[in-house]
Amino acid sequence: QSALTQPASVSGSPGQSITISCTGSSSDFSTYNYLSWYQHQPGKAPKLLIYDVTNRPSGVSPRFSGSKSGNVASLTISALQAEDEAHYYCGSYTNTDTPWVFGGGTKLTVL
Amino acid sequence: QVQLRESGPTLMKTLETLSLTCSVSGVSVRSGSYLWTWIRQHPGKGLEWLGHISHSGNTHYNPSLTGRLTISVDKSRNRFFLRMTSVTVADTAIYYCARGSWSFDFWGQGTLVSVSS
Repeated sequence: QSALTQPASVSGSPGQSITISCTGSSSDFSTYNYLSWYQHQPGKAPKLLIYDVTNRPSGVSPRFSGSKSGNVASLTISALQAEDEAHYYCGSYTNTDTPWVFGGGTKLTVL
Repeated sequence: QVQLRESGPTLMKTLETLSLTCSVSGVSVRSGSYLWTWIRQHPGKGLEWLGHISHSGNTHYNPSLTGRLTISVDKSRNRFFLRMTSVTVADTAIYYCARGSWSFDFWGQGTLVSVSS
């Protein structure tokens, strides 16, 4: 069982926006803003999309955005494209003896 | 361009010792800013942080693996290693190496390690 909770799947049509949630606890990103999002496509290395809740690394499309409210973080993908089909994971620093934890992943299907 | 690449065995038997190498290019493992990290993904499951080593050699391991896991670094060859003793079927997973700080900005493609009895 993952420390962070994500929906198993989401779907959307090209051009639409979707949001993936990530629920944590007081020991992780609800206290520390070290929440990140990763895109993972089969056979490829996971790719950092968002760090520190809202920041995009250089080169990541502005269609990807992150936010947080309390113990729920969200990844929003706007103007969905077929190439966005992938698994998405949230990850967070924690103040426990396991300093980094991840969600179970959300499979995005572009219809 | 920062690149990481895992290498090691793909098939193992229970109770053997797993040794994986992460070869790093585009950045030095001597850099003081990063934590050189191992992460795994069990089939069909989420990601699990295993542990990391800093440029100074400080290590931190997932408590669930304490006593079985060792991470080390070879600064001269710009690579770091994972050693896991007494593997079981439950250690079957894709193993990734990554560059970490407060997030993980570069990852290898991963290597699948299958353990059979």
